[in-house]
Amino acid sequence: AQSVSQHNHHVILSEAASLELGCNYSYGGTVNLFWYVQYPGQHLQLLLKYFSGDPLVKGIKGFEAEFIKSKFSFNLRKPSVQWSDTAEYFCAVKNHGSSNTGKLIFGQGTTLQVKP
Amino acid sequence: DAGVTQSPTHLIKTRGQQVTLRCSPKSGHDTVSWYQQALGQGPQFIFQYYEEEERQRGNFPDRFSGHQFPNYSSELNVNALLLGDSALYLCASTSQLAGGPDTQYFGPGTRLTVL
Repeated sequence: AQSVSQHNHHVILSEAASLELGCNYSYGGTVNLFWYVQYPGQHLQLLLKYFSGDPLVKGIKGFEAEFIKSKFSFNLRKPSVQWSDTAEYFCAVKNHGSSNTGKLIFGQGTTLQVKP
Repeated sequence: DAGVTQSPTHLIKTRGQQVTLRCSPKSGHDTVSWYQQALGQGPQFIFQYYEEEERQRGNFPDRFSGHQFPNYSSELNVNALLLGDSALYLCASTSQLAGGPDTQYFGPGTRLTVL
């Protein structure tokens, strides 16, 4: 069965530190890839997405992610985190099949705590 | 431009009861998906509705059912509630009409507690 794995469950960083959150998926076909963020008390928001083209995608708030097809990975990065980046981060995958829409398969999430 | 809205925000039920959760999609969206997010876990897909029909279903029992109305809003019904149904229920909407790969936009969720 298709699955998404986020290796870091809880990450603690100091402000200005660099961030990289790992995400691997298991599916051999064409996929659409997403990173969502859930700030405390808020709903899931889209950070960035990859559909096709340049494998390095840039999202909101200085986040970026790189799709490496050979490694089935879509890692999230930010050069310098801020206290306001404290949140839970979810990687999600969707099969790009015959239907344009379809279920998202989520990883279990990574809790990021940024210390001021 | 209104985003995805859900009601109620919180709900407390007892085992064996039935519950109905409601969702209004983002303006211009015609497809609604429901997800269950247990504490400390990522959201799990329950089902998706388009043109008032269930189009895809995840690995959830028949106790979970849904409906989509002509105005694209949707309901999630859960019968014979179990303690394990306690979770945050998320609604997400997207558009089939736009064509091409889609992005799902999420609502704030309904927190269901089963006692």
